Amino acid sequence: GDSVTQMEGPVTLSEEACLTINCTYTATGYPSLFWYVQYPGEGLQLLLKATKADDKGSNKGFEATYRKETTSFHLEKGSVQVSDSAVYFCALQDNYGQNFVFGPGTRLSVLP
Amino acid sequence: DGGITQSPKYLFRKEGQNVTLSCEQNLNHDAMYWYRQDPGQGLRLIYYSQIVNDFQKGDIAEGYSVSREKKESFPLTVTSAQKNPTAFYLCASSIGDTNQPQHFGDGTRLSIL
Repeated sequence: GDSVTQMEGPVTLSEEACLTINCTYTATGYPSLFWYVQYPGEGLQLLLKATKADDKGSNKGFEATYRKETTSFHLEKGSVQVSDSAVYFCALQDNYGQNFVFGPGTRLSVLP
Repeated sequence: DGGITQSPKYLFRKEGQNVTLSCEQNLNHDAMYWYRQDPGQGLRLIYYSQIVNDFQKGDIAEGYSVSREKKESFPLTVTSAQKNPTAFYLCASSIGDTNQPQHFGDGTRLSIL
């Protein structure tokens, strides 16, 4: 079945450091890919998405590129802030729009 | 503003009681979902519904039940058969078409007294 793998956390960075959170997936066909962010005690918020190969999703300084050849969708940000501290989930939606599969989440802590 | 409303935010249950968690959406979405999240863990799918009056079990449906009598509403009942119900419960909805993400509510935290 479809699956999503994310790098293990927690990830701890200093403010203004560069961030990369790795995400790889296994799926048949052409899934849509998403990054969600979850702040403490809240639900998940859509951060960005990409729906076909080579698409780049971007939002709030975060970027991720849909790489079909490596089945990856790594999340990147050039300069993190304390307010970026949260849990980040990589997810895919299958070809048919029926099923969503989430990775285990990566906790990011940014220190001032 | 369109969105998903979960209530209550905190819920306490005594042993042997059933409790119902509310989820309402005004996004006109066809599909709705319930997930369970344990501390430091990812999401596990409990039930989902693609259309009114129809729903399917997810990966951890035992001890839970749902109904979908209206497009806007997808309540989850945690029954006494669920032996470890303490968790954070998230409701989500989507248009039900390809390339469209899920939208999430703010969650309900259920605890056993």
